Amino acid sequence: AQSVAQPEDQVNVAEGNPLTVKCTYSVSGNPYLFWYVQYPNRGLQFLLKYITGDNLVKGSYGFEAEFNKSQTSFHLKKPSALVSDSALYFCAVRDTTSGTYKYIFGTGTRLKVLA
Amino acid sequence: EPEVTQTPSHQVTQMGQEVILRCVPISNHLYFYWYRQILGQKVEFLVSFYNNEISEKSEIFDDQFSVERPDGSNFTLKIRSTKLEDSAMYFCASKGLKETQYFGPGTRLLVL
Repeated sequence: AQSVAQPEDQVNVAEGNPLTVKCTYSVSGNPYLFWYVQYPNRGLQFLLKYITGDNLVKGSYGFEAEFNKSQTSFHLKKPSALVSDSALYFCAVRDTTSGTYKYIFGTGTRLKVLA
Repeated sequence: EPEVTQTPSHQVTQMGQEVILRCVPISNHLYFYWYRQILGQKVEFLVSFYNNEISEKSEIFDDQFSVERPDGSNFTLKIRSTKLEDSAMYFCASKGLKETQYFGPGTRLLVL
């Protein structure tokens, strides 16, 4: 069965510092991996995805994520955090070999960037 | 940039009443989804829809739920007899041939 774990409920980081939001996954086959961001009272906004190819994926707003197959991880990173990055971040996975098109989401990590 | 839209943004209903949540997916997309999120927590898959039929559904999507694409543009989620625990944010998503689901802004449903 597919699953996604976001081990941190909240991450605090000072503005200007690098940030990492962790995600690990479990699928039976090859994963497609995604990060979404949710601002208060808003929908989910797509940030980036890993489908195939280069393990380092660059996305919107300066975010990037690295696919690590051996560690089954897909951590979200940004070199320099902004206060406006404060939001709820969701990692999601789709197992491409199970015939499913649904995304399985993690529980979310609240990022708080402190000025 | 095309986007998924949802109406209403908020819906308050009495327990046992029927509600219909509406979504207009991105126009050339082929796959449609409903997810729900309870109180800013985990986003849970409800159902996927392709080629005018349900392709997959979760255990949450019981007989009280149904989906329809009545006119080629709208995609609706109906809850026949709402329960208190149906209170949640409901998100519609759509996907084209590329592997990214685009989400609407959500409908906040409150069942009293």
